[in-house]
Amino acid sequence: GAVVSQHPSRVICKSGTSVKIECRSLDFQATTMFWYRQFPKKSLMLMATSNEGSKATYEQGVEKDKFLINHASLTLSTLTVTSAHPEDSSFYICSARNPGNYGYTFGSGTRLTVV
Amino acid sequence: GESVGLHLPTLSVQEGDNSIINCAYSNSASDYFIWYKQESGKGPQFIIDIRSNMDKRQGQRVTVLLNKTVKHLSLQIAATQPGDSAVYFCAEPTSPSGNTGKLIFGQGTTLQVKP
Repeated sequence: GAVVSQHPSRVICKSGTSVKIECRSLDFQATTMFWYRQFPKKSLMLMATSNEGSKATYEQGVEKDKFLINHASLTLSTLTVTSAHPEDSSFYICSARNPGNYGYTFGSGTRLTVV
Repeated sequence: GESVGLHLPTLSVQEGDNSIINCAYSNSASDYFIWYKQESGKGPQFIIDIRSNMDKRQGQRVTVLLNKTVKHLSLQIAATQPGDSAVYFCAEPTSPSGNTGKLIFGQGTTLQVKP
């Protein structure tokens, strides 16, 4: 089945630094990937749609200069949280469209803590 | 606009009983729905999906019912087990047929299974 690998699973960084999160489709090619953010006891909020070979599409209210998305290959999308602040602390999850059907596979998530 | 919501934030059931988790949607054109299970600290895991040309779909211990008249779907879990304890989300793609759509998630229902 379709597998999406997300790394790292946990990261702690200092305020002002940048953090990169990777999302890989292991056994299929994904032209489109999605990045979500989830606060405790809340639902998943879509941040942006990552498109291979072109610019990401950001949802309203999401700062594109703050959350840099790169989708340089058919199996890898990265989310970089730039100049992180404590309010950026959250659970970030990526997903990719499954090939051949209408399903979506999710990564295991990244817990970001900014101190 | 589109929205996907859940009726109850928390459902507590006795081990062995059946669980029913409900979800309402607002877009009558929606034609594809997915149920996800999310355990603490993990990404959403696909449970079952249903297209609008069906009223019912069964999986292993799970059944999804779709009532297009009242725009409501439910997830039924038979003989609920402790391992079923998680947050359950209904979700739908934003575009018809789910071809390119972003997933919209409901707010989630926390299922607690009492031993």
